[in-house]
Amino acid sequence: DAGVIQSPRHEVTEMGQEVTLRCKPISGHDYLFWYRQTMMRGLELLIYFNNNVPIDDSGMPEDRFSAKMPNASFSTLKIQPSEPRDSAVYFCASSFWRGANVLTFGAGSRLTVL
Amino acid sequence: AQTVTQSQPEMSVQEAETVTLSCTYDTSESDYYLFWYKQPPSRQMILVIRQEAYKQQNATENRFSVNFQKAAKSFSLKISDSQLGDAAMYFCAYRYNAGNMLTFGGGTRLMVKP
Repeated sequence: DAGVIQSPRHEVTEMGQEVTLRCKPISGHDYLFWYRQTMMRGLELLIYFNNNVPIDDSGMPEDRFSAKMPNASFSTLKIQPSEPRDSAVYFCASSFWRGANVLTFGAGSRLTVL
Repeated sequence: AQTVTQSQPEMSVQEAETVTLSCTYDTSESDYYLFWYKQPPSRQMILVIRQEAYKQQNATENRFSVNFQKAAKSFSLKISDSQLGDAAMYFCAYRYNAGNMLTFGGGTRLMVKP
């Protein structure tokens, strides 16, 4: 398996623009997580899905952030409009409930908002 | 709510020596899972080792081992025969079960001196 695939690896955009981050989980995994990593706040959970259904979105910072999982093999995290404080590395991770409870992470998407 | 604390922001070790990274956590659950993840400069999150709380035996993976003290809620990582490639950020993490998120500590930056 190719692992968790995220795109883009790097994104530089201007304040006010829409940003869409994409994730393809490992085939067969039924949980998908979006994390954000910053120097100030460390790794924080934004939202997670089980069988494509959002379970906990309490970490989504505000209405500018939205996440979808239209099918088992694809998820998006959208920021509209983007702000400089959204600059961070965004990780997608997936896991299988029967597994060893291990989350497998993608390589992350580094977002810079100017 | 569960919390994970890593009290050492930075650690350094001489190549070939042994180093121990500390982690404490807070939970009211009796069954859960603990993990150490490594994040090298490439920013990929890599699983180093995991421990099931119901197992008394400490987990070991080659040069990596843990000291799991359930009553004290302590979960330290020991790296033996340190190598230059071990230099990275190390994150301790807690997960209640497959239906829950992974909660991370703030991380410890490990430097390995040649």
